[in-house]
Amino acid sequence: GAGVSQSPRYKVAKRGQDVALRCDPISGHVSLFWYQQALGQGPEFLTYFQNEAQLDKSGLPSDRFFAERPEGSVSTLKIQRTQQEDSAVYLCASSLFQGSSYEQYFGPGTRLTVT
Amino acid sequence: RKEVEQDPGPFNVPEGATVAFNCTYSNSASQSFFWYRQDCRKEPKLLMSVYSSGNEDGRFTAQLNRASQYISLLIRDSKLSDSATYLCVVNGRTNAGKSTFGDGTTLTVKP
Repeated sequence: GAGVSQSPRYKVAKRGQDVALRCDPISGHVSLFWYQQALGQGPEFLTYFQNEAQLDKSGLPSDRFFAERPEGSVSTLKIQRTQQEDSAVYLCASSLFQGSSYEQYFGPGTRLTVT
Repeated sequence: RKEVEQDPGPFNVPEGATVAFNCTYSNSASQSFFWYRQDCRKEPKLLMSVYSSGNEDGRFTAQLNRASQYISLLIRDSKLSDSATYLCVVNGRTNAGKSTFGDGTTLTVKP
């Protein structure tokens, strides 16, 4: 079946621009996670949704970052006024059950470059 | 100090070698543990869960030591296809959303 998809796969933004990154999780998956992965590092947790509820946004680095999952399926991560330090791969993952104690299925990521 | 720490490597081993990776975590309340594998410029994929009693999947063995707060992964009879970065993952209380990943250990298996 279809896995997690993300779009766009690559995004180049000028400093100060707003960007929106989309994640389509596996159908029926309750949990959705966003991560930021810098080169040479592991994924860093950003936020977690259980269905449409954003239960944990402790990892969002600033108020320029905003995520939503209004109908409990597709999710969008928005970054306002992008900065160079936002350059990274943004990974989305979904899981069948609630919480992070089960296998997470990752999408291919969106590589964001801020110039 | 990071919550989850791994030796970054790289580990360069010949085919057929046995190699072991360790991972330490700081939160003693952590509940679940995993090893993920990430190939270059690809997404992470689950390799195996880690149970208190230890678990084995073919050539791979994972162990958890709660008292010392470390997790290990042993790979026997290494294959060229095992070359990847291995990420240790630690989760908090059940049903919480946050996963904490280590920065990974890079393995290169050479012919």
